[in-house]
Amino acid sequence: KNQVEQSPQSLIILEGKNCTLQCNYTVSPFSNLRWYKQDTGRGPVSLTIMTFSENTKSNGRYTATLDADTKQSSLHITASQLSDSASYICVVRATNTGNQFYFGTGTSLTVIP
Amino acid sequence: DTGVSQNPRHKITKRGQNVTFRCDPISEHNRLYWYRQTLGQGPEFLTYFQNEAQLEKSRLLSDRFSAERPKGSFSTLEIQRTEQGDSAMYLCASASGGSSYEQYFGPGTRLTVT
Repeated sequence: KNQVEQSPQSLIILEGKNCTLQCNYTVSPFSNLRWYKQDTGRGPVSLTIMTFSENTKSNGRYTATLDADTKQSSLHITASQLSDSASYICVVRATNTGNQFYFGTGTSLTVIP
Repeated sequence: DTGVSQNPRHKITKRGQNVTFRCDPISEHNRLYWYRQTLGQGPEFLTYFQNEAQLEKSRLLSDRFSAERPKGSFSTLEIQRTEQGDSAMYLCASASGGSSYEQYFGPGTRLTVT
């Protein structure tokens, strides 16, 4: 069964600190993995996308890693800011036909001053 | 703005009423998705269109739900005889075809059923 699991479910960190969010998946056949940031009451916005051959990709203070062998990904946020408070969703795309996107339940991040 | 738009942004309705939401995708995108999201959860797939054809529907899409994309452009999602359990954020996303296409999400429609 194609599934995407994220941990932790929620996280509270102090402003300026780093954090790492985890995503484990069983989606097959794998096409790519994307991390989204979703502010409260808004639609998700893409942060990074990673294909099978990519191990790491950065977007500013966000760095995503992918281990396609263990089917794990992480999103590392450096020097967190209050505006990083949001839900972070891991989405894995399969190469099968039809609906190809499998969503994690998200990690809710709260950055406090 | 050339992104995905959704209307209305918020809808409050009484139980038993019908509601209809609209999604306008990015103009060159032929794929359109509807999702439902409740508080603290990730988006749950409802249905998917390629052009005007509805190719897949989730079991979450009960008989009270119907979606259309009549001309392969905008889409509507109708909920008949709303129930309190229908209260959620309804997200629309669009994507182009090809091997590297990604989904672009609209801002969502927040439905509250009282």
